[in-house]
Amino acid sequence: GAGVSQSPRYKVTKRGQDVTLRCDPISSHATLYWYQQALGQGPEFLTYFNYEAQPDKSGLPSDRFSAERPEGSISTLTIQRTEQRDSAMYRCASSLAKGGFNEQFFGPGTRLTVL
Amino acid sequence: QQQVKQSPQSLIVQKGGISIINCAYENTAFDYFPWYQQFPGKGPALLIAIRPDVSEKKEGRFTISFNKSAKQFSLHIMDSQPGDSATYFCAASSGNQFYFGTGTSLTVIP
Repeated sequence: GAGVSQSPRYKVTKRGQDVTLRCDPISSHATLYWYQQALGQGPEFLTYFNYEAQPDKSGLPSDRFSAERPEGSISTLTIQRTEQRDSAMYRCASSLAKGGFNEQFFGPGTRLTVL
Repeated sequence: QQQVKQSPQSLIVQKGGISIINCAYENTAFDYFPWYQQFPGKGPALLIAIRPDVSEKKEGRFTISFNKSAKQFSLHIMDSQPGDSATYFCAASSGNQFYFGTGTSLTVIP
């Protein structure tokens, strides 16, 4: 595609509900990142994929957070039993290959609000 | 613990002036230092980046100055324009983990 897309753009949910966020990376990109961005803060690394492999989950805040990229393209981030502190912008980025020197292209984000 | 510390939080500059944003880091394993520009409602976009083996990189009006011994790097925007008004994030990476600063909101007054 022309760029990284994310859906939904906005999600409001009640505490305790599960939510799934979707990221559609640039089609030729092998590497996909998930970030959490609180208001007034920079993005914080959650996890990344190289194709369908997920080498690093160290940034996931708790076991309520999980991510998948089963076919090495579209990825989902699922938050189970949401809590108010999960409210944030969730951003996805993709790059041509793994390695910090490869430019990351960010999507517009999903704004999650947990009531 | 904040891996990358960024200042100032906000900056107001007159058109034509120089905007300077500073960042500091502790982890000497970082080997890539990008700057991102973010407009409201959009995701961050790569502006310019530097590796620690050079002390300066210039692209048009944007320059990164890098001081390896002090573990500091800064973004200079020369001849600042109203269209430069945005939030700027510095970042540092080692491998595939990126650590971002807290952002600087730049306003360029016409």
